[in-house]
Amino acid sequence: KAGVTQTPRYLIKTRGQQVTLSCSPISGHRSVSWYQQTPGQGLQFLFEYFSETQRNKGNFPGRFSGRQFSNSRSEMNVSTLELGDSALYLCASSPFGTPDGEAFFGQGTRLTVV
Amino acid sequence: EDQVTQSPEALRLQEGESSSLNCSYTVSGLRGLFWYRQDPGKGPEFLFTLYSAGEEKEKERLKATLTKKESFLHITAPKPEDSATYLCAVHLGSARQLTFGSGTQLTVLP
Repeated sequence: KAGVTQTPRYLIKTRGQQVTLSCSPISGHRSVSWYQQTPGQGLQFLFEYFSETQRNKGNFPGRFSGRQFSNSRSEMNVSTLELGDSALYLCASSPFGTPDGEAFFGQGTRLTVV
Repeated sequence: EDQVTQSPEALRLQEGESSSLNCSYTVSGLRGLFWYRQDPGKGPEFLFTLYSAGEEKEKERLKATLTKKESFLHITAPKPEDSATYLCAVHLGSARQLTFGSGTQLTVLP
């Protein structure tokens, strides 16, 4: 059974640019959550999508947005990149969303903003 | 404010030296506590979910337990391949998100 796939694995962007990250969940999973991981703040929740609807959003500025498609694949977008957006972005998939099932993470996308 | 605290921040063990990692939480409406293992440069790998006080789960050399205020991850006779950062996360009843602790970096020396 294929795991969670995130693309690309690495990205280098310039301050002010925008970026789109992609996440393909485990087959049959309908919930996708996104997290940002930095050395200083640890893992922080960005948002969760279920059946194409955003069900929850973390405390991040509006520059961070996402969407989910009918096949459960999800994308997140960060506009007007800042140096502080450099982080490992992780997506997690689960059948129905926690706590109704375990969340399985992808390998992440390492974003570096210069 | 809901908080998740893991201790110690770092732990060095000799191979075969058993120990425990702690995850304490001050949240209301806990609906689940999760343990993950994370290797450098990789995403967290799911280990256990615990839902109620008194619950225990085991996997190989790992055993997770849960009380009303904390969880322990016991590592019995660890091996160097157990070296990783261990993360705990709690799920709050009011929102569909995981709140993570800062992790315990475990190093097992041969």
